[in-house]
Amino acid sequence: NAGVTQTPKFQVLKTGQSMTLQCAQDMNHEYMSWYRQDPGMGLRLIHYSVGAGITDQGEVPNGYNVSRSTTEDFPLRLLSAAPSQTSVYFCASSFSGRSSYEQYFGPGTRLTVT
Amino acid sequence: TQLLEQSPQFLSIQEGENLTVYCNSSSVFSSLQWYRQEPGEGPVLLVTVVTGGEVKKLKRLTFQFGDARKDSSLHITAAQTGDTGLYLCASSLNAGNMLTFGGGTRLMVKP
Repeated sequence: NAGVTQTPKFQVLKTGQSMTLQCAQDMNHEYMSWYRQDPGMGLRLIHYSVGAGITDQGEVPNGYNVSRSTTEDFPLRLLSAAPSQTSVYFCASSFSGRSSYEQYFGPGTRLTVT
Repeated sequence: TQLLEQSPQFLSIQEGENLTVYCNSSSVFSSLQWYRQEPGEGPVLLVTVVTGGEVKKLKRLTFQFGDARKDSSLHITAAQTGDTGLYLCASSLNAGNMLTFGGGTRLMVKP
């Protein structure tokens, strides 16, 4: 199993550009989430999904869109990049039920917006 | 404002020393997870504690959950350079499926 994979590993964008961060998992997990990590802030939840076709907002959703058309994939779209979105982005997945909080993380995407 | 407070923020020790890091909240945890994150990688789950007063051991790491389920600690015995990393606690403090993370303790173990 590859686990949780994310692409790209690094990305530089100019202010106003849009892009999609890809996330895929092969563990048949129902739950998938996107976090951003900034220095001293731990991880903050952007959006999450409890199954295909179902998404919800997390703590910091503004400026980001998600969709979940399959169990395996959960892309994160930046609509119009801003310097405040410079961060490291992690995708995570987990089973549902009592294990839903035990998350498996991808290796991250380091995004710089200039 | 962090709902989960971790202390200390930074810790630098020599190999062989013992250390304890803490995770506290004013709210009651339903369960609490500890993760370790190495540079350039995603966090990796170490343990989940569920019951107040619970103690779990993972080799040289001892995890304790407070009786009131509002605090937790991670104790490392005879630290090794491989223990270097960012230690994060996380819990579902809110209703639903939202996981909240603390700010982390960055540990450096020097040879």
